[in-house]
Amino acid sequence: NAGVMQNPRHLVRRRGQEARLRCSPMKGHSHVYWYRQLPEEGLKFMVYLQKENIIDESGMPKERFSAEFPKEGPSILRIQQVVRGDSAAYFCASSPGQGQAEKLFFGSGTQLSVL
Amino acid sequence: QKEVEQDPGPLSVPEGAIVSLNCTYSNSAFQYFMWYRQYSRKGPELLMYTYSSGNKEDGRFTAQVDKSSKYISLFIRDSQPSDSATYLCAMKDNNDMRFGAGTRLTVKP
Repeated sequence: NAGVMQNPRHLVRRRGQEARLRCSPMKGHSHVYWYRQLPEEGLKFMVYLQKENIIDESGMPKERFSAEFPKEGPSILRIQQVVRGDSAAYFCASSPGQGQAEKLFFGSGTQLSVL
Repeated sequence: QKEVEQDPGPLSVPEGAIVSLNCTYSNSAFQYFMWYRQYSRKGPELLMYTYSSGNKEDGRFTAQVDKSSKYISLFIRDSQPSDSATYLCAMKDNNDMRFGAGTRLTVKP
């Protein structure tokens, strides 16, 4: 029973390139959340998705950032034209669904470094 | 003022000590209160989960929620070096979950 799988673990990009972060939720989980974490700071909510739907993207910058969770395949967080300030750890979490959304299971994260 | 306040520490204690970790919050709509443990270079893992006020005990860990004071605590008894990690409080209303900044704990042998 694999947990939440994120890849890659480490991603290095130069300024202006695109970053794609992948997340496969736990088996049976249909809700995916993306968080960003900077050193000495808590987890900052970015976006909440269910299969093929974005439920809440209030924490995601309106420019350069997008997320999807297709019917088949992993959830993708996409950052276009990365800047140094995008360097952070990005965590994906999944939950079983309604009534269980407070119990999040996290992946090991993707550490994005922008040169 | 942040919605969730948590002292980032660092906190260093000797093995066997009782550890007290705390968070305060401002949103009275929060109903679900969680503590997550995060080891270095890992994702957070759910440690304790409490609904509304009261205490919950699980082995060496006790979570307390005082909604009247908007204050939550996590106590670790007989702390072990393996407890060394960052502990994040989290709380949720019907929609939004908010995390504290995390307290870094080191338990020295």
